[in-house]
Amino acid sequence: NAGVTQTPKFQVLKTGQSMTLQCAQDMNHNSMYWYRQDPGMGLRLIYYSASEGTTDKGEVPNGYNVSRLNKREFSLRLESAAPSQTSVYFCASSRGRAGPETQYFGPGTRLLVL
Amino acid sequence: TQLLEQSPQFLSIQEGENLTVYCNSSSVFSSLQWYRQEPGEGPVLLVTVVTGGEVKKLKRLTFQFGDARKDSSLHITAAQPGDTGLYLCAGLTSGTYKYIFGTGTRLKVLA
Repeated sequence: NAGVTQTPKFQVLKTGQSMTLQCAQDMNHNSMYWYRQDPGMGLRLIYYSASEGTTDKGEVPNGYNVSRLNKREFSLRLESAAPSQTSVYFCASSRGRAGPETQYFGPGTRLLVL
Repeated sequence: TQLLEQSPQFLSIQEGENLTVYCNSSSVFSSLQWYRQEPGEGPVLLVTVVTGGEVKKLKRLTFQFGDARKDSSLHITAAQPGDTGLYLCAGLTSGTYKYIFGTGTRLKVLA
């Protein structure tokens, strides 16, 4: 099992460009998450999908859109990148049952917006 | 907005020393988790605590959930270089799927 995979690993964008970060999991998990990680700020939830067909906003959704393509895949789109979106982006998944669960994280996508 | 503040932000210690990391909030959480993250990788779950006052031990690591379920601590005994990493706490509010992560504590253990 690969677990949670993310593509690309690195990306450099110019301000105003768009891009989609891809995430896939092979653990048959129901819930999937997108976080961004900035120095001194831990992980902040951008969007999550509690189950296939549903998405909901997290703490910092502005400037992002998501698509839960199917049970395996959850993509994050930046329509018009801004320097403030320079960050490391992590996708995670969990089984999606009620209560505390283990979140399994991907290796991250490092994004630089110039 | 729920916040989880961790202290200290940075910690550099010698191998064999003991240390405690704190995770504090003004909000109540139904459960709290601790993750460790190594450079270039995603966080990996260490432990979940769900009951106020609960203490869990994982080899040299001791985790405690506060009685009021607003805070938690991580104590490492006889730290080793392999303990080096970023430690993150994460709280879950009852009835939601949203995890709130703490600000992180970056630990470096020197040989």
